[in-house]
Amino acid sequence: GAVVSQHPSRVICKSGTSVKIECRSLDFQATTMFWYRQFPKQSLMLMATSNEGSKATYEQGVEKDKFLINHASLTLSTLTVTSAHPEDSSFYICSALPQGALQETQYFGPGTRLLVL
Amino acid sequence: AQKITQTQPGMFVQEKEAVTLDCTYDTSDQSYGLFWYKQPSSGEMIFLIYQGSYDEQNATEGRYSLNFQKARKSANLVISASQLGDSAMYFCAMREGPRNYGQNFVFGPGTRLSVLP
Repeated sequence: GAVVSQHPSRVICKSGTSVKIECRSLDFQATTMFWYRQFPKQSLMLMATSNEGSKATYEQGVEKDKFLINHASLTLSTLTVTSAHPEDSSFYICSALPQGALQETQYFGPGTRLLVL
Repeated sequence: AQKITQTQPGMFVQEKEAVTLDCTYDTSDQSYGLFWYKQPSSGEMIFLIYQGSYDEQNATEGRYSLNFQKARKSANLVISASQLGDSAMYFCAMREGPRNYGQNFVFGPGTRLSVLP
């Protein structure tokens, strides 16, 4: 149980285009999902917290107009990188917090590697 | 100030031996959670073990155990009987505050473990 999927797993795009990444909790409902970015040989950095039915909360330094987050249902959150540039190339990982106070951990998706040319 | 410190950027261990990965944390909260994740080269984040701040017993999960020393604010991961498949990045993470929706994690910089045959 507690499986989180991400799509696509890998994407290459031209500078200036927008890229949408989906994060789905497959066998549980998640009121809260998190989006992280990880540069090579570095740790995960939280970008934003996505709450179903409300606006996402962005971490300091993360442009909300550039990284659009939509959490339309209890099983789906999307991250759209708008007008992507080469410096946005990174590994993007989502995680989902299962609904219910007994859960102790976030469950992570397999990640999406974004390369902007 | 770093909330999570992992002082070992890289570690080597001989197959079948035990290894300890260090993690120290900084928080003023009384209620918090500590986690260890494994990230193989594929990028997925695999949950290993959890320790709550009020848990009196050290957490154990199979070959993984967490040496929790609250006064020292340390939460070291011990892997017994190392296997070649244990070679990966290992991240220590902390959730500050009580279990609740929207609590985000802070990750340490990680330790790369290499298991030698």
